[in-house]
Amino acid sequence: QKEVEQNSGPLSVPEGAIASLNCTYSDRGSQSFFWYRQYSGKSPELIMSIYSNGDKEDGRFTAQLNKASQYVSLLIRDSQPSDSATYLCAVNMNYGQNFVFGPGTRLSVLP
Amino acid sequence: ETGVTQTPRHLVMGMTNKKSLKCEQHLGHNAMYWYKQSAKKPLELMFVYNFKEQTENNSVPSRFSPECPNSSHLFLHLHTLQPEDSALYLCASSQAGPLSEKLFFGSGTQLSVL
Repeated sequence: QKEVEQNSGPLSVPEGAIASLNCTYSDRGSQSFFWYRQYSGKSPELIMSIYSNGDKEDGRFTAQLNKASQYVSLLIRDSQPSDSATYLCAVNMNYGQNFVFGPGTRLSVLP
Repeated sequence: ETGVTQTPRHLVMGMTNKKSLKCEQHLGHNAMYWYKQSAKKPLELMFVYNFKEQTENNSVPSRFSPECPNSSHLFLHLHTLQPEDSALYLCASSQAGPLSEKLFFGSGTQLSVL
């Protein structure tokens, strides 16, 4: 059974702080990793993808992957109230089409 | 239009009704998906179509029947649903290929079964 785990939160951070979101996965053969943002009442929106160990930066977002530890994280620098949403971690094994999603972490950025 | 379009946005149906959800993607992708999102539960994959052929069916009850006439259109036919089927149904598409599989979602259909 492939599983993706996330802390459901809510995670509260003050405006301007760094928000750190974590995800672990059970399938060691997983190859592709994604972070989606979902605002309340809306559909998930892709914000980051990462395929190799290490860090990948895109604006205020940094994804970190450690395949040995089966761990992927998302850092949001200079958090804004508009970043308040649920963040979904998704894992895809062997370039197939079976994306497995975690339950999501609800982030609240306080003004 | 661009992206992935789903209709209707909201649907209320009785347990004896038959209805269909429609999805259309304008991204030139070759794979389409149906996901179910219930409160407090992770997104659940229901069906995957790759080049119009169904490649995944995650033990979904037969009261849900998918149809994919071409790579741009996907339907989910619903009949004799149960109240526990009330959820957000999301359509997504992707371009099959190594390191290019990224899901793009439609706005979803919020389904209520009475």
